[in-house]
Amino acid sequence: KQEVTQIPAALSVPEGENLVLNCSFTDSAIYNLQWFRQDPGKGLTSLLLIQSSQREQTSGRLNASLDKSSGRSTLYIAASQPGDSATYLCAVYSGNTPLVFGKGTRLSVIA
Amino acid sequence: DTAVSQTPKYLVTQMGNDKSIKCEQNLGHDTMYWYKQDSKKFLKIMFSYNNKELIINETVPNRFSPKSPDKAHLNLHINSLELGDSAVYFCASSPQGSGGAIETQYFGPGTRLLVL
Repeated sequence: KQEVTQIPAALSVPEGENLVLNCSFTDSAIYNLQWFRQDPGKGLTSLLLIQSSQREQTSGRLNASLDKSSGRSTLYIAASQPGDSATYLCAVYSGNTPLVFGKGTRLSVIA
Repeated sequence: DTAVSQTPKYLVTQMGNDKSIKCEQNLGHDTMYWYKQDSKKFLKIMFSYNNKELIINETVPNRFSPKSPDKAHLNLHINSLELGDSAVYFCASSPQGSGGAIETQYFGPGTRLLVL
């Protein structure tokens, strides 16, 4: 059964820092991996989707990498801003259920 | 121009009551989902419908019954509410129903259910 773990559970950084969020999954037979952002009181917003055949995806200041064989993904945020403060969720699609989520990393960027 | 909407946003009710949560998407997607996010922040799939047909039914008590009157709507009815049902329930949709192989899912804002 697929399990997704995210480390750290919470992270607080000063504005302008570059940071890395980690995601690991137990079953490497995945179709894709997605990173979502969840703001308090709001739904999830998809940030990046990496297909199993891809190594990374970039969108603006965000870069997500995927190492399928080792069951790991990282989300790199460059030059963090207070507006980046949110919970970041990693989710994998393995074909049996639509998405299996991690618990998320709660990020606080302090001005 | 809301893509995926849910009502109500908040729901506070007594144990034993029956309640419904509604979801609508205006994206023209074929597949809709219900997820539950518990107090530990785990998001878990509950149900998935493709073109009004149930395609995924995870281990969910029979008290939970989804209904899809058309492919733009997926409602969740809960009978005999229990304290452990307190959670945030998210509706989502995706274009074709593969569940995510090449597509992302679009989430609603969530319904915060509190059972007293």
